[in-house]
Amino acid sequence: EVHLVESGGALGQPGGSLRLSCAASGFTFSTTEMNWVRQTPEKGLEWIAYINSGGGNIHYAASVKGRFTISRDNAKNSLFLQMNSLRAEDTAIYYCASGTNYFEDWGQGTRVAVSS
Amino acid sequence: SYELSQPPSLSVLPGQTASLTCSGDKLGEKFVCWYQQRPGQSPVLVIYQDQKRPSGTPGRFSGSNSGDTATLTISETQALDEGVYYCQTWDSATDVVFGGGTKLTVL
Repeated sequence: EVHLVESGGALGQPGGSLRLSCAASGFTFSTTEMNWVRQTPEKGLEWIAYINSGGGNIHYAASVKGRFTISRDNAKNSLFLQMNSLRAEDTAIYYCASGTNYFEDWGQGTRVAVSS
Repeated sequence: SYELSQPPSLSVLPGQTASLTCSGDKLGEKFVCWYQQRPGQSPVLVIYQDQKRPSGTPGRFSGSNSGDTATLTISETQALDEGVYYCQTWDSATDVVFGGGTKLTVL
C-alpha cells in the first residue's frame, strides 16, 4: 500500500524559511515522479513543484519560483521542499503527491502558517 | 493564464445521477482528471485521462471531455459520494491547473 507522510509544517515568519519532508513507502520511489501541491480555502488546490525520478528535471509554479526548492533523496525514499522568503500567502496545507500531469497518490498533508 | 470553471455546488437525491462539469477554453483538446475530497481528507484521484478509472474507483464513476467542457458523471449516487470534486488539466504552456471545485451534496 502506498504511503506518503509529510512533516515539517509549522508557524513561520514572513521572510523566514521552512523545510518540508515527505516519506514514501509502498512503491518504487526512485522511479516515480513527485510533486508538491498546496491547498487553501481561498485559492483551492495549487500545484507548486514537480521533480522527475532522477531529480534532473524540475518545474515550479510562478508563485513560488525563486523562493522554493524541491529535491529528493531516492536512497532514503524522501521528498523535500525548502521554502525560503516566506509570505503570508504561502499559508496552506502542503501535500506531496506522486505522478506526472495528474496525481495518483497523496499524503495527508502538513500545515504551514506564515505570520508575524 | 488558463482557467477551469466549476459550479460551486450540486445537490442530488440518493440513487440519482450527478453530472459535474468543468469548463475551459478548448478543454477537449487537453486531458482532464478528477479528484474527490471528503471533509478532512486528502484528495483522491477518481478519473484520469478524461475517462480512465484508477483501481478502486467504482464503476459508477465515468468521465467525458469534449469542446470546452469535461463532465464527471456519478450514477446511482450514494451518501458516501459526498465531497468536493476538483477537475484538473495540464499542458506544456499552462503546467497544472485545478478547477475551483464543486461541492456535491447527497440529500
